[in-house]
Amino acid sequence: GDSVTQMEGPVTLSEEAFLTINCTYTATGYPSLFWYVQYPGEGLQLLLKATKADDKGSNKGFEATYRKETTSFHLEKGSVQVSDSAVYFCALTPTGTASKLTFGTGTRLQVTL
Amino acid sequence: GAGVSQSPSNKVTEKGKDVELRCDPISGHTALYWYRQRLGQGLEFLIYFQGNSAPDKSGLPSDRFSAERTGESVSTLTIQRTQQEDSAVYLCASSRAGNSYNEQFFGPGTRLTVL
Repeated sequence: GDSVTQMEGPVTLSEEAFLTINCTYTATGYPSLFWYVQYPGEGLQLLLKATKADDKGSNKGFEATYRKETTSFHLEKGSVQVSDSAVYFCALTPTGTASKLTFGTGTRLQVTL
Repeated sequence: GAGVSQSPSNKVTEKGKDVELRCDPISGHTALYWYRQRLGQGLEFLIYFQGNSAPDKSGLPSDRFSAERTGESVSTLTIQRTQQEDSAVYLCASSRAGNSYNEQFFGPGTRLTVL
């Protein structure tokens, strides 16, 4: 079945550091790929998405590119802020009309001054 | 309200008791999903409702779990004879239509603790 693997956390960075959170997936066909974020005390929010190969999703300075050849969707940000501290989840939905999400285990990011 | 709401926010119960969790989706959203997040794990899909179609129950872990939804409104997730392994945060989400291009909006979750 479909699965998502993302790097273990927690990840601790200083403010203005470069962030990469790795995500790889296993799925048939061409799934849609997502990054969700959960800030402390809040619900899950969609951060960005990409629906076909080579698409780049971007939002709030975060980017991720859908790489079919490496089955990856790594999350990057050039300069993190303390306010980016949260748990980040990579997820996919299969090709077709069903849209249940398959999630990775989440990566906690802690940004310090 | 503007977002997905869930109640209760926290529920503590004894092993063997039944519990009922409630989800109010965003008005006009035809699709509704239940997920479970156990400690240190990702979210697991449980069940999906789309309009008046038969629900996709493929993620329900056992016959102790069931869910209902009336039309495009409130949904309830019922867990009978709760076990300690049912302890988790139960998340509900809704979207405008059931295809992969529609963003799912999540509620704050219900934290269930089975003693």
